Amino acid sequence: KAGVTQTPRYLIKTRGQQVTLSCSPISGHRSVSWYQQTPGQGLQFLFEYFSETQRNKGNFPGRFSGRQFSNSRSEMNVSTLELGDSALYLCASSLAQKNIQYFGAGTRLSVL
Amino acid sequence: GQSLEQPSEVTAVEGAIVQINCTYQTSGFYGLSWYQQHDGGAPTFLSYNALDGLEETGRFSSFLSRSDSYGYLLLQELQMKDSASYFCAGLTGANNLFFGTGTRLTVIP
Repeated sequence: KAGVTQTPRYLIKTRGQQVTLSCSPISGHRSVSWYQQTPGQGLQFLFEYFSETQRNKGNFPGRFSGRQFSNSRSEMNVSTLELGDSALYLCASSLAQKNIQYFGAGTRLSVL
Repeated sequence: GQSLEQPSEVTAVEGAIVQINCTYQTSGFYGLSWYQQHDGGAPTFLSYNALDGLEETGRFSSFLSRSDSYGYLLLQELQMKDSASYFCAGLTGANNLFFGTGTRLTVIP
């Protein structure tokens, strides 16, 4: 069974641009969660999608948004990029409950 | 609010036992998970405790005490490959998962 796939793996953008990250969950998993990881901050929860609906949302500004498609693939978008958005963005999929999550390798975003 | 506190760094000798503690303040707490992350890698699931007590999976064990809002991960027979960051994560009844800031474990020969 294929794992969670995130694309692209690396991305370099400049301030003010926008970016779209993609995540393909494990087959059969309907829950997809997104996290931002920065040194010293651990994993900060962005949002979760389940069956194409946003089920939970973390404390991030509206510049961060996401969506989920009918095949459970998910995208997250960050608009008007800021230097502080430089981070590793991780996607995780799970069955309905999130006690066990399976993570992708992440997308490392650098904002210059 | 939600908070999970872990030591930032732990060093232990190869072959020894190490315990990584996690104290939490999580409203609507449902269970505690543990994840391992090697440098440059993705977090991988290690264990989950929904009930008080010890869960054992090979060299790794995890413990939960709801009355003390406390849990720990126990790693036995440490190997060099166990050098990694370890995160505890609290699951709430609303199906939200909150991560601690992680403990960096360094195993030395």
